[in-house]
Amino acid sequence: QVQLQESGPGLVKPSETLSLTCAVSGYSISSGYYWGWIRQPPGKGLEWIGSFYHSGSTYYNPSLKSRVTISVDTSKNQLSLKLSSVTASDTAVYYCAREARPQGIDYWGQGTLVTVSS
Amino acid sequence: SYELTQPPSVSVSPGQTASITCSGDKLGDKYACWYQQKPGQSPVLVIYQDNKRPSGIPERFSGSNSGNTATLTISGTQAMDEADYYCQAWVSSTVVFGGGTKLTVL
Repeated sequence: QVQLQESGPGLVKPSETLSLTCAVSGYSISSGYYWGWIRQPPGKGLEWIGSFYHSGSTYYNPSLKSRVTISVDTSKNQLSLKLSSVTASDTAVYYCAREARPQGIDYWGQGTLVTVSS
Repeated sequence: SYELTQPPSVSVSPGQTASITCSGDKLGDKYACWYQQKPGQSPVLVIYQDNKRPSGIPERFSGSNSGNTATLTISGTQAMDEADYYCQAWVSSTVVFGGGTKLTVL
């Protein structure tokens, strides 16, 4: 059974960099699939942030591309997200997920709330 | 940028059929997926590749996709189906979500 678990600071100051890690168990990231980050502001809808393909390619939401970096540590089987120059509008629950394109996003983490506030 | 449009809310009586639409330019040329999200929980995939159900998803969930519109249909809607539903498609290697539809069963 594939499991994903997000971790990282729950509070980040404006203008700083948000950093999250997603630990994946039950499947090796380097073996296949896309692995991505999705966020959901409180009371709002889902927003795709970006994805990492097991071959090493990355794909980002054009609206966030200038501030986002997604990377993978294959030795730890972890996915990472860095979002720079955050503002209050970046406050959201952040999910990591496995994309089985085109069979859907089939595994999701439980999500972690990140609040941007001084 | 590509947009997927969903109605903000849909209401249905228990036992009746609920239909939730998702509109986008030539959406029928792409694969559509649907996710169910209940309060405080992560989204769950209920339909992929337009009309396929993952293991464990009840048969009352079905989907279609043609032209500019994908539709999620829930037959014999139950109280437990009350949730937010999101459509999703892949567009030029990016992931696009619809704005979500709140399904109320009353």
